[in-house]
Amino acid sequence: SQQGEEDPQALSIQEGENATMNCSYKTSINNLQWYRQNSGRGLVHLILIRSNEREKHSGRLRVTLDTSKKSSSLLITASRAADTASYFCATDEGGGSYIPTFGRGTSLIVHP
Amino acid sequence: DSGVTQTPKHLITATGQRVTLRCSPRSGDLSVYWYQQSLDQGLQFLIQYYNGEERAKGNILERFSAQQFPDLHSELNLSSLELGDSALYFCASSVGESRAQETQYFGPGTRLLVL
Repeated sequence: SQQGEEDPQALSIQEGENATMNCSYKTSINNLQWYRQNSGRGLVHLILIRSNEREKHSGRLRVTLDTSKKSSSLLITASRAADTASYFCATDEGGGSYIPTFGRGTSLIVHP
Repeated sequence: DSGVTQTPKHLITATGQRVTLRCSPRSGDLSVYWYQQSLDQGLQFLIQYYNGEERAKGNILERFSAQQFPDLHSELNLSSLELGDSALYFCASSVGESRAQETQYFGPGTRLLVL
């Protein structure tokens, strides 16, 4: 079963709007990573947030982590058509195995 | 361009056959990871090699095997192929062996279609 589960499954917005995607997971983690995947292509690493961090920024991206709720959110501000992609969260299973586990992703469409 | 290369880009074969997927990591990266992405299973971690040695196994079938060679390129062998093996297979690489801490750089993938 998936460790990280993204919500919503799909999101359609207009250029300039903000996009928020959420990720929930089940077990304790050491870190959580967000990736972007353009249609049929490889994943691109966006940001890593460690379990002792609460918020991280990278350009127009803001990631938060709430370990008490076992959830993370990815906010893309001032979205652009080029942000159209699927976004995945990936966690490492706790207990030392550190197996990368991906959710099913949020499909984001940004309309120009 | 991540610097990770995969060949071939597309592969069409029949059930029962065997195929080999190839991956060259980024220059300087010692770890190679293999993933399978399908519509029903999503993105699944298969296996990791670090400097030629197996480091972690995920949901890899016994019909699948992999190895990493002294020049650090890796091959994923898929045998006795079934229709359900049709998927995108990604290779990723990272500098070190710590799966929890490393940023992985993904290749463009090999799209396998089993008919």
